[in-house]
Amino acid sequence: KAGVTQTPRYLIKTRGQQVTLSCSPISGHRSVSWYQQTPGQGLQFLFEYFSETQRNKGNFPGRFSGRQFSNSRSEMNVSTLELGDSALYLCASSLSGQGRIVDTEAFFGQGTRLTVV
Amino acid sequence: GQQVMQIPQYQHVQEGEDFTTYCNSSTTLSNIQWYKQRPGGHPVFLIQLVKSGEVKKQKRLTFQFGEAKKNSSLHITATQTTDVGTYFCAGNSGYSTLTFGKGTMLLVSP
Repeated sequence: KAGVTQTPRYLIKTRGQQVTLSCSPISGHRSVSWYQQTPGQGLQFLFEYFSETQRNKGNFPGRFSGRQFSNSRSEMNVSTLELGDSALYLCASSLSGQGRIVDTEAFFGQGTRLTVV
Repeated sequence: GQQVMQIPQYQHVQEGEDFTTYCNSSTTLSNIQWYKQRPGGHPVFLIQLVKSGEVKKQKRLTFQFGEAKKNSSLHITATQTTDVGTYFCAGNSGYSTLTFGKGTMLLVSP
């Protein structure tokens, strides 16, 4: 079956602009989580969506937002981009993200590398 | 909230040396998972541990889950250049979202 698909793969934006990233989870997966990865900072959790509802949120400013559609596809938006937002943005899908252990294994997409200039 | 700490942050070894990364949780975990991210790639699931004191092996990799289910380790015997990458642990406690450690970057010199 198809894996997690993230689009676009690469993006260059100017400070102050906004950007929308997309994530299509594995078919049947209902949980989608987003992470920001920068050198030395590991995977920083942004938020998790399940059945179109934000279930958990990390410690990021309100400029970072997301949503999930009825087909489980998810988007994240960053407004008023700053240089420090340059990073690899990864999304991961899982069956349900909670509950039964088998439901929590995360499958990552290739990521979107965002560069803010 | 739940926190997962991983040490060391970075390790550089000579090929053939052993390597270990440690993971500690602030809360008791229901399970712990390990992922590997190759340079330029994305994290890929390696294994999951569920039982207290559980030990699992994958060829040269040995994974352990602590008796109290609050810590875990990944040990690689006789590292190879193909082991290069960042290793992440991730845990959850009951009905909570998977929490990732910051990862250990492993560099292996031939």
